[in-house]
This record gives sequence, structure tokens and C-alpha cells, in this order.
Amino acid sequence: NAGVTQTPKFRILKIGQSMTLQCTQDMNHNYMYWYRQDPGMGLKLIYYSVGAGITDKGEVPNGYNVSRSTTEDFPLRLELAAPSQTSVYFCASSIWKGAYEQYFGPGTRLTVT
Amino acid sequence: KNEVEQSPQNLTAQEGEFITINCSYSVGISALHWLQQHPGGGIVSLFMLSSGKKKHGRLIATINIQEKHSSLHITASHPRDSAVYICAVRSELGTGNQFYFGTGTSLTVIP
Repeated sequence: NAGVTQTPKFRILKIGQSMTLQCTQDMNHNYMYWYRQDPGMGLKLIYYSVGAGITDKGEVPNGYNVSRSTTEDFPLRLELAAPSQTSVYFCASSIWKGAYEQYFGPGTRLTVT
Repeated sequence: KNEVEQSPQNLTAQEGEFITINCSYSVGISALHWLQQHPGGGIVSLFMLSSGKKKHGRLIATINIQEKHSSLHITASHPRDSAVYICAVRSELGTGNQFYFGTGTSLTVIP
């Protein structure tokens, strides 16, 4: 299994541009998550999904959109990028093993200038 | 106030030292996780526990549910243990989405 994969690894955007961060998992996990990690801060949940076709907002959803058309894929869309969206983005999936264990992707480092 | 607090924020140790990282949380939880984030950025799960103690090699994690506190210990520390260690809890409420994360403890082990 490849686990959780994310593309791209790095990206620089200009203010107002749009982009999609890709996330794919091959472990057949129902739950998937998008987090952002800012310097000195804990991971913050942007959006999550409990299964194909079902998504919901997390703690910091403004400026982002998601979709979940398949179990494997959970892309994160940034519309009208702003400098405040400069961060490292992590995708994760989880499965019940007596508790929900999370598996993380390698992260995408995004800079908006 | 953060739901999860870790201490210390930064820690420097000599190789071979015994290391303790602490985590306190304020919500009712169904499980607590210890994660390791390497300098390259990748995050891996070290432990998932809801009671007692777990041990993997030189790493030991304990949790006291009544006191809402967990500790991560590293015995005989090595430079390759240098990383950020993150405590995360899953709230006992909700449907799998309610994970709260600490800000991490940055550990540097000097040879």
C-alpha cells in the first residue's frame, strides 16, 4: 500500500489564484481529513469526510472547498488564494482500531505571495 | 485556551538521556495519540492509547484518564529521535472528526 499520498509537495501561488491539492489513500478508509499546520500552532481541521459523498466543515473552513466522489480521493480546493493561506497542508485518513488511528500524507507546503 | 497542552515546547538532551514529554487535555476523550513529525515534515503515529501504558522499543507512553494527563518517555535517547512530538486527542463526542492537537514538543538530541 502507498498509504496516503498528496500532490504537489510544494507550490507558490499569487494572490487571487486558485488551485487544488490532491489527496489519495489506498487503504479503503472511510474517514478522511484536511488539516493545516501554521508555525507554532497545532494542526487545525479544515474539512473532513466520513465517506464518499459526505463532507463537513472543520474548525477553519473559510476559503476552502472539498469534494469526495470516491472513497480514495479527497481533493482540497483553494479559491482566490490569500497570504493567510500560506501553510503546510496535511491530508489524513483514519480507520477504527478500537479507536480512530490516523494516517497522514507527507504534506504540501503552500506559499501565497 | 487550547484543548491540548504540551510541555516543554522545546527540549535539548544529550545522547543517552531519559526524556519525558507531557500532555494535558481538557476534554473527555475516547483515545489519545502520540505522533512524531520528522524534520522533513512527515507525521507518523507512535501510540494510540485509552488507558494504562504502551511500550514500543525505547518509547513508552502512559495515560492517566482521571488526571487527564499523558506522558511520552524515551529511554537511551539517540540523535535520530530528534523530531517534533505531537499529542492529539479524539473527543468522546462526535463521529470521528473531533481530533484536537497540541502544538508539539521539539526535541533535539545532541551526540
